[in-house]
Amino acid sequence: GAGVSQSPSNKVTEKGKDVELRCDPISGHTALYWYRQRLGQGLEFLIYFQGNSAPDKSGLPSDRFSAERTGESVSTLTIQRTQQEDSAVYLCASSLTPGPYEQYFGPGTRLTVT
Amino acid sequence: KQEVTQIPAALSVPEGENLVLNCSFTDSAIYNLQWFRQDPGKGLTSLLLIQSSQREQTSGRLNASLDKSSGRSTLYIAASQPGDSATYLCAVREDPDKLIFGTGTRLQVFP
Repeated sequence: GAGVSQSPSNKVTEKGKDVELRCDPISGHTALYWYRQRLGQGLEFLIYFQGNSAPDKSGLPSDRFSAERTGESVSTLTIQRTQQEDSAVYLCASSLTPGPYEQYFGPGTRLTVT
Repeated sequence: KQEVTQIPAALSVPEGENLVLNCSFTDSAIYNLQWFRQDPGKGLTSLLLIQSSQREQTSGRLNASLDKSSGRSTLYIAASQPGDSATYLCAVREDPDKLIFGTGTRLQVFP
């Protein structure tokens, strides 16, 4: 079946603009995760959704970052007033349920803030 | 705070060699450990998942071991091929909700 998809694949924006990144998880996966990978650094956890429960936002770096998910479907990650330090690849993953199951990753969105 | 380290950071080998990639983590209270490969411009592909109660997992030419008490995992690649060239990431799950990643080993296998 289809894997995790993300859009856009690339986004170039000017400093100070808002951006929205989209993630379509694998159908039936209840858990959805956002990660960020800055150049030369490892992946950093940002936020986690599980069904209709309150999301775990513990990894969001600032209040300029927010994310939403409707039920067990699409999620959007919004970055307001973008800064150059926000430039990174943003990766989304989903898993059947949380816990010991594998996370399946999308191809990512490469964000460049000029 | 959990820290995950991977050694070496980069590796270049001729085709056919057997390889060992190393991953170490500071807190042994993990649920599982997962090895991924990442190709340029693509997402992560899961290679092997080792639960905390397991010692190793095998898939084809890949074998991953886990020594939770010492905070170490190794990924063994047998008879390497140019198609194995990629960045290899290990990640530990210490919380049911998130993975903590290492910075990766960039592997190049030349013909």
